[in-house]
Amino acid sequence: ENVLTQSPAIMSASLGEKVTMSCRASSSVNYMYWYQQKSDASPKLWIYYTSNLAPGVPARFSGSGSGNSYSLTISSMEGEDAATYYCQQFTSSPSTWTFGGGTKLEIK
Amino acid sequence: QVQLKQSGPGLVQPSQSLSITCTVSGFSLTSYGVHWVRQSPGKGLEWLGVIWSGGSTDYNAAFISRLSISKDNSKSQVFFKMNSLQANDTAIYYCARNGGTRGGFAYWGQGTLVTVSA
Repeated sequence: ENVLTQSPAIMSASLGEKVTMSCRASSSVNYMYWYQQKSDASPKLWIYYTSNLAPGVPARFSGSGSGNSYSLTISSMEGEDAATYYCQQFTSSPSTWTFGGGTKLEIK
Repeated sequence: QVQLKQSGPGLVQPSQSLSITCTVSGFSLTSYGVHWVRQSPGKGLEWLGVIWSGGSTDYNAAFISRLSISKDNSKSQVFFKMNSLQANDTAIYYCARNGGTRGGFAYWGQGTLVTVSA
């Protein structure tokens, strides 16, 4: 089983601050997905294939990484960005999807 | 537009089974797979299984013995059934549509909060 470890588990940022969160895979993966989830709402696909923003996602978000190490970055924190972010990867043979434990981003 | 609407019970007795229906619109089940994911209170997301457009299924190995996913393409409905529920199965259960060319889970249902309790 490929385990995804997200860090930090909880973080806070001031408005306008740059934010970076990490997702590490126990085995190398080809790409990573990211989801945003706000309280009492369903998750939303946020970034696909490591670095592509889903429709409607602000350009201040970016994703990067390869192999075992991936990250999500917000260039300038805004209030609406406070949420929990989950990374996700896919493994074939057998087909399995795994989520990280999440990073909760709060406003400082 | 793409929608997934879930219906199912909010309360299940221990050792009983859970059945949830995911009714979709805006796309055909013959073109996209539908996944099931759950989220325990205050916890993260856990993938449970998927039914593909052709009808084949893949399950999380931890649930394969008590999980079944099926569908009725003509009714645009996907059926989720999990047996032998215990208290630690209390969670919000989601259906989600495969993202197509983007991959991932692009569209989600509203979630069904299931409490396992006598």
